Amino acid sequence: GNSVTQMEGPVTLSEEAFLTINCTYTATGYPSLFWYVQYPGEGLQLLLKATKADDKGSNKGFEATYRKETTSFHLEKGSVQVSDSAVYFCALSPPGPVAGGTSYGKLTFGQGTILTVHP
Amino acid sequence: GAVVSQHPSRVICKSGTSVKIECRSLDFQATTMFWYRQFPKQSLMLMATSNEGSKATYEQGVEKDKFLINHASLTLSTLTVTSAHPEDSSFYICSARGMGRAYEQYFGPGTRLTVT
Repeated sequence: GNSVTQMEGPVTLSEEAFLTINCTYTATGYPSLFWYVQYPGEGLQLLLKATKADDKGSNKGFEATYRKETTSFHLEKGSVQVSDSAVYFCALSPPGPVAGGTSYGKLTFGQGTILTVHP
Repeated sequence: GAVVSQHPSRVICKSGTSVKIECRSLDFQATTMFWYRQFPKQSLMLMATSNEGSKATYEQGVEKDKFLINHASLTLSTLTVTSAHPEDSSFYICSARGMGRAYEQYFGPGTRLTVT
């Protein structure tokens, strides 16, 4: 079945440091890949996504590139801010309707990585 | 953007009682809604998928008689935890997907259930 593995946290950085959160996946075909962010006390928000190999998703200074050859979708940011402190989840969705339709659009999440940025 | 609300945000109930959690899509029609459970410091676990007007599809290991899901309209899905026990205490999150938006799910803020 599908699975997502994220680097274990927590990750603690100083403001303006470079951030990488590793994410690798196991899936058949070409799934869509996502990064979600959960700020304290809030629901998950889509941060960025990529739907095919070599696509780069980007938003709010964060980037991730869909690497089919390494089955990875690592999240990066060049200079983190205190406001980036949150839990980050990597996720995948199957590549289109599956027989029976029950898997279509279903997300499989990684375990989440807690990021804390200090001033 | 698309907004999904959940009500209540927090609920405390006694063991043996039932609790209903509502999930609403406020500015779009949600053909599909998903219910997740999140344990402390852990990932989200998909419990079930509900399509408007049809029965929910439950993930393996999720008791359908305990977690009743109803998706009666394009903007509302409910999760009822029946005969709740302390081990049902958790953070329950819903998400909604609109028509033609295969890859975009919008998440509610979650409901913290505590069973005493």
